Amino acid sequence: DMKVTQMPRYLIKRMGENVLLECGQDMSHETMYWYRQDPGLGLQLIYISYDVDSNSEGDIPKGYRVSRKKREHFSLILDSAKTNQTSVYFCASSWGVEQYFGPGTRLTVL
Amino acid sequence: QEKVQQSPESLIVPEGAMVSLNCSFSDSASQSIWWYQQHPGKGPKALISIFSNGNKKEGRLTVYLNRASLHVSLHIKDSQPSDSAVYLCAVYTGYQNFYFGKGTSLTVIP
Repeated sequence: DMKVTQMPRYLIKRMGENVLLECGQDMSHETMYWYRQDPGLGLQLIYISYDVDSNSEGDIPKGYRVSRKKREHFSLILDSAKTNQTSVYFCASSWGVEQYFGPGTRLTVL
Repeated sequence: QEKVQQSPESLIVPEGAMVSLNCSFSDSASQSIWWYQQHPGKGPKALISIFSNGNKKEGRLTVYLNRASLHVSLHIKDSQPSDSAVYLCAVYTGYQNFYFGKGTSLTVIP
C-alpha cells in the first residue's frame, strides 16, 4: 500500500523559533511537494522537488526552505517562524499523474 | 498559471440524493482532471480522474469532461453519510504540475 508519512502531526511553536517538518514516502517516487492549506484559500504549493537536490519554488515559497537529500525524504524548514505561518501543511508525492498525500501537520505559531 | 474554480462552495443533501459538483478551468490543454476527497483531519485522496472528453464511471461516481467549455463535473449517485467530505478538483498540466480548486464541502444527512 502506497504511503506518505508526516512528522510531527501537531506542533506548537513560538514566533521566531525554527520549525522542521518531515515527510517520507515508501514508493520511490521522484517528485514530492509541500503544500499549506488554509480555510478559504485551498491548497497552496510551497515547493516542489523533482528528485534529490532538485527543488523549485512553488506559489508561496517566501519564509520557507526545503531539503531533499534522499529520494524518500523531503523536509520543510521555517527559519524564524511567523504567526501567519500557522496552517496545516501537507506533503505529497507523485507517480505519473497521480498524487499521494500525507495526513498533514497542524502547525500553530504563537 | 492555471485557474481552477469550484462550485458550489458547500452542499447539504439527504442520504440517497444525487450529488453534482462542478469545476471550471482555464487551460484547454490541461492533460487530465482529478477529483480528490478529503475527510476532516485527513490528507486528500484521489477518487477518480479523466483524460479525454466525455464521461467515465466508477461505481457510484461519474465524471464528465467538456474541454470546449473548460468544465468538468462529478456526480455521486445514492449519496451516503460517509461521502461527507471536501471534494477538490485538480488539473494536471504536465511536468508534475497540479492546480487545485478551493473545494466543495459536502454534507450528507442521514
